Amino acid sequence: AQKITQTQPGMFVQEKEAVTLDCTYDTSDPSYGLFWYKQPSSGEMIFLIYQGSYDQQNATEGRYSLNFQKARKSANLVISASQLGDSAMYFCAMRPHTGNQFYFGTGTSLTVIP
Amino acid sequence: DVKVTQSSRYLVKRTGEKVFLECVQDMDHENMFWYRQDPGLGLRLIYFSYDVKMKEKGDIPEGYSVSREKKERFSLILESASTNQTSMYLCASSSPGSASTDTQYFGPGTRLTVL
Repeated sequence: AQKITQTQPGMFVQEKEAVTLDCTYDTSDPSYGLFWYKQPSSGEMIFLIYQGSYDQQNATEGRYSLNFQKARKSANLVISASQLGDSAMYFCAMRPHTGNQFYFGTGTSLTVIP
Repeated sequence: DVKVTQSSRYLVKRTGEKVFLECVQDMDHENMFWYRQDPGLGLRLIYFSYDVKMKEKGDIPEGYSVSREKKERFSLILESASTNQTSMYLCASSSPGSASTDTQYFGPGTRLTVL
């Protein structure tokens, strides 16, 4: 069975500081992709960053980086230099190589404080 | 620019009504998905389709049906709406499963209220 766990329902961070959002996953598939999405209050899900299970290096996209620890089955999102516009819900998701389905965590609500 | 559109952003219906939510994508994706999003529960998959006229049940298909007559269009149907179907509904599309690198692209969501 596939499962994504996000244990932080809500997080606060000071503007310009870095923040880490936790994500752990469980899968028996040897090959999979890990994704992070941002959902502002407007509702639309925005793709942020991707990490492949066989990628040797941690993924980075601008201020977003993914701290991938395969042995621990964790894929934490790091946002550097937080901005007020980063306030949103953040979802971690996994897609096994075999199959079409994506599996989502329950999300973390991030609030950036001025 | 890739685009997934949904027929309504906000919808209010009465208990027992038949409700149609439509989703259209312009990326020629084989896979399309309907999710329901509720606070504290994340995204739960209702149905997905991997080809025209093909569908598979997700985690919570009860009370819902779907239709995919054309590749670009995937409809979610609530045969007889109930108050516990009040929720945010998100449509998404993606490339076929051979590429686990490909993300899903989401529509703006439909916030449905059943009175």
